[in-house]
Amino acid sequence: GQNIDQPTEMTATEGAIVQINCTYQTSGFNGLFWYQQHAGEAPTFLSYNVLDGLEEKGRFSSFLSRSKGYSYLLLKELQMKDSASYLCAVGGGFKTIFGAGTRLFVKA
Amino acid sequence: NAGVTQTPKFQVLKTGQSMTLQCAQDMNHNSMYWYRQDPGMGLRLIYYSASEGTTDKGEVPDGYNVSRLKKQNFLLGLESAAPSQTSVYFCASSVLWTSGSTYNYEQYFGPGTRLTVT
Repeated sequence: GQNIDQPTEMTATEGAIVQINCTYQTSGFNGLFWYQQHAGEAPTFLSYNVLDGLEEKGRFSSFLSRSKGYSYLLLKELQMKDSASYLCAVGGGFKTIFGAGTRLFVKA
Repeated sequence: NAGVTQTPKFQVLKTGQSMTLQCAQDMNHNSMYWYRQDPGMGLRLIYYSASEGTTDKGEVPDGYNVSRLKKQNFLLGLESAAPSQTSVYFCASSVLWTSGSTYNYEQYFGPGTRLTVT
């Protein structure tokens, strides 16, 4: 079957670091995406991992372990504007499977 | 460059009515998608179009039909609306990523259509 698990909600403080975990079991795997979605808006692309290891892009980093079916998104120096949902998605060609998303609240 | 646009932004239908959701992209992407997003659930693929003139079913196609007559447009039709189709509908287009022997599609999403069926 296809299953993607991520925490429903997380809260963190402005300026801190937060790690959002994602575990997956899917029949096909061509890589793992992270998307950001602010309330009432469309998802926007954050990162893509196809090989094991850490990909860093500014304040955001994404890690992948294919053998463990595990990824995380690391957000550093949190800002209020980072309050959003973060969607983990596993790519299988045209049929990307999305997790339900983790709603992150950043407090002052 | 408008990206992906969707019309309408909001729609209320009565059970049994039909309508078409419109999606357009100006990025010359080959592939386009329709998703629905419901509270507590991930985006679920309704239909996709790998290229102009072709369409395929996704995870939840029942009660919907699609049309991709032009490369830049992808239409989603609801034949006979039901309350279970109340949702937010997102259209997306995609660009291909390749890494060695693997490939994947980064998707660009439209702003969504909020549909309520009473």
